[in-house]
Amino acid sequence: TQLLEQSPQFLSIQEGENLTVYCNSSSVFSSLQWYRQEPGEGPVLLVTVVTGGEVKKLKRLTFQFGDARKDSSLHITAAQTGDTGLYLCASPRKLSFGAGTTVTVRA
Amino acid sequence: DAGVIQSPRHEVTEMGQEVTLRCKPISGHDYLFWYRQTMMRGLELLIYFNNNVPIDDSGMPEDRFSAKMPNASFSTLKIQPSEPRDSAVYFCASQASSGNTIYFGEGSWLTVV
Repeated sequence: TQLLEQSPQFLSIQEGENLTVYCNSSSVFSSLQWYRQEPGEGPVLLVTVVTGGEVKKLKRLTFQFGDARKDSSLHITAAQTGDTGLYLCASPRKLSFGAGTTVTVRA
Repeated sequence: DAGVIQSPRHEVTEMGQEVTLRCKPISGHDYLFWYRQTMMRGLELLIYFNNNVPIDDSGMPEDRFSAKMPNASFSTLKIQPSEPRDSAVYFCASQASSGNTIYFGEGSWLTVV
């Protein structure tokens, strides 16, 4: 079983639509990270959240850490084709990654 | 600045052959990680080093896999003998002890036929 469960596994939307992906666990984390991986490349860190209830924004991306520090979400507003990729949540302390959500944004 | 450099980018080999993957971490980084990524299992940590010393190799699948880090700027992951189920993308990554960002290489795409 995965320490970090991500949902949905796949998501395909039209350019301009919004989307949310989730990362859940039964464990409590001191921090969680979100990475994006584009085809043929390695994952690249987007953000680290460390405080329960924390919300961080990165342009059109909004990251939230659950109050209990067991879950996190990533919301993308007005998705663009450049947002296409595999989104991975990770526990930096445990060096483990979720299985990821493959996001496809269609033109 | 140069990122994590891996070689080869792609390798196709026959079952039973030895495979050696190479990695040069970012200069000054104290931690080096080897991950394997497959569709079925996602991104799995195989082994990691701190200051060239292996710290946790519990993710190494079996004795056919071995990893070394002879110095701060070079690491290898070796599979001997290789099997078709070893086909995957193998990522090397590094991290500074002062930070929490893991920097990944572009991966080595291994196909064992």
